[in-house]
Amino acid sequence: SQTIHQWPATLVQPVGSPLSLECTVEGTSNPNLYWYRQAAGRGLQLLFYSVGIGQISSEVPQNLSASRPQDRQFILSSKKLLLSDSGFYLCAWTGTGYQETQYFGPGTRLLVL
Amino acid sequence: GENVEQHPSTLSVQEGDSAVIKCTYSDSASNYFPWYKQELGKRPQLIIDIRSNVGEKKDQRIAVTLNKTAKHFSLHITETQPEDSAVYFCAASSGNTPLVFGKGTRLSVIA
Repeated sequence: SQTIHQWPATLVQPVGSPLSLECTVEGTSNPNLYWYRQAAGRGLQLLFYSVGIGQISSEVPQNLSASRPQDRQFILSSKKLLLSDSGFYLCAWTGTGYQETQYFGPGTRLLVL
Repeated sequence: GENVEQHPSTLSVQEGDSAVIKCTYSDSASNYFPWYKQELGKRPQLIIDIRSNVGEKKDQRIAVTLNKTAKHFSLHITETQPEDSAVYFCAASSGNTPLVFGKGTRLSVIA
């Protein structure tokens, strides 16, 4: 069966520090991968999605970037964190179609101080 | 692009009553409509979905209805229980772009 992992589970970082969050999927090949951010008590904001290695689509211009170095690995990065980057970061995957069931990872809770 | 509106933003019901959450979408090409439940501090999880070739789908106490003409779909929860308390998200996709989510409904079931 398929499994999605995210780490770290929680992170406290100072303003201006770099960020790297990792997501990996097991048990499937060539998935679509997604990064969402959820501010406290708010909805799901799609940040990036990828349909294949090296292919990244950005939904929101900001100080974050994403990379997909391997088929089942998706990385979210920042060179300098802002206070507004605090939130719950969720990775998700689907099969090769956008209308296949989307499964979310356990999330990373980021607090920027 | 697609736009999904979800109402209400908060909903309180007595245990045993029914709850209804409604969503409207803008892209007439959308034909996949999932619903997710997110408990406090957890990840969203799919609870039911519907595709445009059917008008209604049921799974025990949960049902979803779809009206393609009016471009709206609804989640119905019957005989609500305290464990139904969560945030519920609707979403829509035409197949050409990722899911577009509504802003969520916080459901509280009062025992």
